[in-house]
Amino acid sequence: QSVLTQPPSVSAAPGQKVTISCSGSSSNIGNYYVSWYQQLPGTAPKLLIYDSNKRPSGIPDRFSGSGSGTSATLGITGLQTGDEADYYCGTWDTTVSAGNWVFGGGTKLTVL
Amino acid sequence: QVQLQQSGPGLVKPSQTLSLTCAISGDSVSSNTASWNWIRQSPSRGLEWLGRTKYRSKWYNDYAVSVKSRIIINADTSKNQFSLQLNSVTPEDTAVYYCARGSSSNWYFFDSWGQGTLVTVSS
Repeated sequence: QSVLTQPPSVSAAPGQKVTISCSGSSSNIGNYYVSWYQQLPGTAPKLLIYDSNKRPSGIPDRFSGSGSGTSATLGITGLQTGDEADYYCGTWDTTVSAGNWVFGGGTKLTVL
Repeated sequence: QVQLQQSGPGLVKPSQTLSLTCAISGDSVSSNTASWNWIRQSPSRGLEWLGRTKYRSKWYNDYAVSVKSRIIINADTSKNQFSLQLNSVTPEDTAVYYCARGSSSNWYFFDSWGQGTLVTVSS
């Protein structure tokens, strides 16, 4: 069971908007910035969002990040079939020892 | 643009040592701002960070508690690469292994990943 909790799946129609939640605690999201990753089938994860709400160059503004307290949210607008992928949140966690990087269990996005 | 190229065997016998290498282009393993990480992914454990090495006037390593007794991550400055050694493997170590660069702004994130190596632990 992952330290960060994500819904296993979300779905929406092309052109619509979807949000993916990532719930944690004061040992992780409550004190550290979150990053989000997109993993297309058969490929390595790709950075989408860092510092909870910043986009690397080349990532379209259809992708956005936000957060409050011990939760973070990834938003995707104008959904495209190419957005079908697994999405993961990640951050540092200090529950055990000096700390550990942790990821959520992942959310599979289906564009209907 | 940073590129990470992984190499190493895809099959390891139980109780033996898993060894992978990640060659870096477009950055330096001795960078004072980056960290060099190993992350694995399996259906049962999801994405799991294993550890990192970084250079800040001297070398520092951090390891995940789950593998701390069995892991070594080393940097090779002459070849601009870093490596993973995981000892005493069991079938539970079967996973796709990724190397990744850690960067930071306000906090850390992984902005470049290797292509992944499927490692199967089996006799």
